[in-house]
Amino acid sequence: LAKTTQPISMDSYEGQEVNITCSHNNIATNDYITWYQQFPSQGPRFIIQGYKTKVTNEVASLFIPADRKSSTLSLPRVSLSDTAVYYCLVGDMRRGSTLGRLYFGRGTQLTVWP
Amino acid sequence: NAGVTQTPKFRILKIGQSMTLQCTQDMNHNYMYWYRQDPGMGLKLIYYSVGAGITDKGEVPNGYNVSRSTTEDFPLRLELAAPSQTSVYFCASSQPDATNEKLFFGSGTQLSVL
Repeated sequence: LAKTTQPISMDSYEGQEVNITCSHNNIATNDYITWYQQFPSQGPRFIIQGYKTKVTNEVASLFIPADRKSSTLSLPRVSLSDTAVYYCLVGDMRRGSTLGRLYFGRGTQLTVWP
Repeated sequence: NAGVTQTPKFRILKIGQSMTLQCTQDMNHNYMYWYRQDPGMGLKLIYYSVGAGITDKGEVPNGYNVSRSTTEDFPLRLELAAPSQTSVYFCASSQPDATNEKLFFGSGTQLSVL
């Protein structure tokens, strides 16, 4: 599985848009990009997943450039409750092929201030 | 749906003691996983199971054992607890298909070995 590089931490204020970029230079053709969110004392929670261009759901948007060597998670109008660690994962996770071997890394600690 | 349920939430062990961390899921998922997360770090895979009666080692299996007698339950056994096993343990499940896998995590068990 491709390893990823993310900023260790980011700060924002309520109501702002937050963009977290993940670098994955060794991404393979069949790899997808997946983001998880983890609150203190909880397990990670799936946020969004994509392969190329842009994906949007009710929580976030994921932007993937044509070369797919990086991706950006965009959180619109963050609130205090968005304070969490965000993990970027890269891999071909179809049919459970990773068998749980997912590189979570240290993630990005996002802190939202009032 | 309760999702993935872990018990206990907290536990303190003495060196050399044994215990079982319980994990159960009600989503009828075939794949289940155990991870550990050390402070400020990402998750590391301990053991996984692709179905009842089938288990295999992950990245850090030493000092642990698992069993999978039913689809719902995937207990993790610690034998002869050591201070190096102080960590937060997460159980997860998934139902892989042709699309990319989404993991569902429990809320974790915080274990201290003193």
